[in-house]
Amino acid sequence: RKEVEQDPGPFNVPEGATVAFNCTYSNSASQSFFWYRQDCRKEPKLLMSVYSSGNEDGRFTAQLNRASQYISLLIRDSKLSDSATYLCVVTVYGGSQGNLIFGKGTKLSVKP
Amino acid sequence: DARVTQTPRHKVTEMGQEVTMRCQPILGHNTVFWYRQTMMQGLELLAYFRNRAPLDDSGMPKDRFSAEMPDATLATLKIQPSEPRDSAVYFCASGPTTVPNTGELFFGEGSRLTVL
Repeated sequence: RKEVEQDPGPFNVPEGATVAFNCTYSNSASQSFFWYRQDCRKEPKLLMSVYSSGNEDGRFTAQLNRASQYISLLIRDSKLSDSATYLCVVTVYGGSQGNLIFGKGTKLSVKP
Repeated sequence: DARVTQTPRHKVTEMGQEVTMRCQPILGHNTVFWYRQTMMQGLELLAYFRNRAPLDDSGMPKDRFSAEMPDATLATLKIQPSEPRDSAVYFCASGPTTVPNTGELFFGEGSRLTVL
């Protein structure tokens, strides 16, 4: 089983729609969680961290469910510019270091 | 605007040739990662350095891949000999020591490798 799993999509939604992505992780010792965004043929960039209590950044809301080992990202009022691949990232600690493990990503396409 | 610099941006080579990719991390960042991205596997961690010391290279095929940091401003990833299955985009990323907690990892634009 992959350490971080995501539905690859694509999710095709109209502008203004609300869309949600889920991600599951297998290592219960995972301690930090993030969402990254990757535009086509570009490098990944940090979108937001995910906190246990849930957190919001404008139209984006991230939530963490440790008991079920999943993370979610909700995008409200989606824009054309939100079209990208969204990568779920988990920090897994081994020894003294933490490795950032990336999911394969969920592709979002927002249509006019 | 500080950024991670990778060279070459594109490389086409023939099977069996040596390939060296270079990365200049952001000044002041002491944590450097090498990732490989393919459609099938997504982003795979190859190597991880902190203060130039390798902390984890378990994801790297040891027989043909090697990663080093000769100094704080240069990280290298070498493939010798290269094989068609090595075709991928190779990303270097850097961040401060707090990266595992903050997720603040800055990626270079990647080196797109094609091995024929």
